[in-house]
Parts: sequence; C-alpha cells; structure tokens
Amino acid sequence: AQSVTQLDSQVPVFEEAPVELRCNYSSSVSVYLFWYVQYPNQGLQLLLKYLSGSTLVKGINGFEAEFNKSQTSFHLRKPSVHISDTAEYFCAVRNAGNNRKLIWGLGTSLAVNP
Amino acid sequence: EAGVVQSPRYKIIEKKQPVAFWCNPISGHNTLYWYRQNLGQGPELLIRYENEEAVDDSQLPKDRFSAERLKGVDSTLKIQPAELGDSAVYLCASSFEAGGGYNEQFFGPGTRLTVL
Repeated sequence: AQSVTQLDSQVPVFEEAPVELRCNYSSSVSVYLFWYVQYPNQGLQLLLKYLSGSTLVKGINGFEAEFNKSQTSFHLRKPSVHISDTAEYFCAVRNAGNNRKLIWGLGTSLAVNP
Repeated sequence: EAGVVQSPRYKIIEKKQPVAFWCNPISGHNTLYWYRQNLGQGPELLIRYENEEAVDDSQLPKDRFSAERLKGVDSTLKIQPAELGDSAVYLCASSFEAGGGYNEQFFGPGTRLTVL
C-alpha cells in the first residue's frame, strides 16, 4: 500500500525568505508524485508533478520540487516566498500504472508573514 | 473555458436531514471524482466515474451516501440521513482519461457542509 507523510503540519516564514515543505512517500511500485495548493475557500490546484525524467521539476508560481528515489522524498521549495503564497499545500502520490487513485498527505499550512 | 462547477458552495443542515451536492465537470472530461476533505486533512476519494459507470466506490459509505452520473456528464452526491460526522468539504474533480498514463485532475471549489 502507498502512503504519504508531510513532515510539517505548519510552516511559518517571513516574506522573501526561502521555504521547503517536506514530503516522504512509501510505495513498492513506480509512482507519480504531485504537489497541490489550496487557497482559503478554494479547490485544489496542481502546482507541479513528477512523472518521469529529470528529478527536478518546476511548477507554477516559482515553486520547484526534487524527486529523490533513494530517500523516497519529494520536497517542495521556493527561494523567495510572497504573502500570496499563504495557503495549504498537499503532497500526493499515485501508482504509475492504470490505477489513478491519488493518495494524499495531511497537508502543510504555509503562513507567510510580512 | 469554464472549470469544474459545484453547487451549493455552502450548506448548513440539521442531522438526520438529507442533502445533495451537484457537480458539472469540465466539458469533454469523461472521468469524474467525488472527494471528502475533513478539516486539517487531505482529500479522501469517495467515488470515481468513467463516463456513467462507477469504477471505484470502495470508500463510499453506501448505507447513507449515494451518487449518480446518469448521462456521463454532471453528477449528484447525496447523503441521507446526514450525521454530525459528515461535516466536511465535498470536492468534485474531473479529468479526461484515454488509456494509460497521466492526465491532470481539475478540482472544483467544493461544497462546505455543516451538520448541526
């Protein structure tokens, strides 16, 4: 069975500081990995995804993530955050085959302070 | 292009009452998902449709929850009767799936249900 662990439930950070949101997964098969963002009272929006190829993936809003197979991690990073990045961030994993079920982490609440 | 539409956005009911949520996916998307998101948690898949067929409803509490997607387009999720523990955000998502591989799921804004 697959699982996702987001290691930090809350991350406070000052504006223009760098941030890393950590995600570890477990799976016995090849996986696709995702980061979604959820702004208050809105649905989930895909930030970025890893399917195959380069382990460093770039997404929207200046975010990037690195797939590390040996450490089973997919940490999300941004070199300089803005107030508008305040949101809930979810890491998710799914089987790389035809099983499309997404397994979600519990989320990390990013609070960017001035 | 319109995104996934859900209504209502908010619903407050008393326990034991019925409630229904509606979702209209992105035009042309053949796959539709209903998720439940409890406070402080990630989404939990309730049911997945491919066209009008429910292909994964293993997490749907069938004693009180039902869903339909009669024409393979829009969908309704119903709870009858509602319980206090059903308070959550109900998210609908859609994607276009053709064979294997990956296709992005697009999410609606959700319906926030409060059961009193």
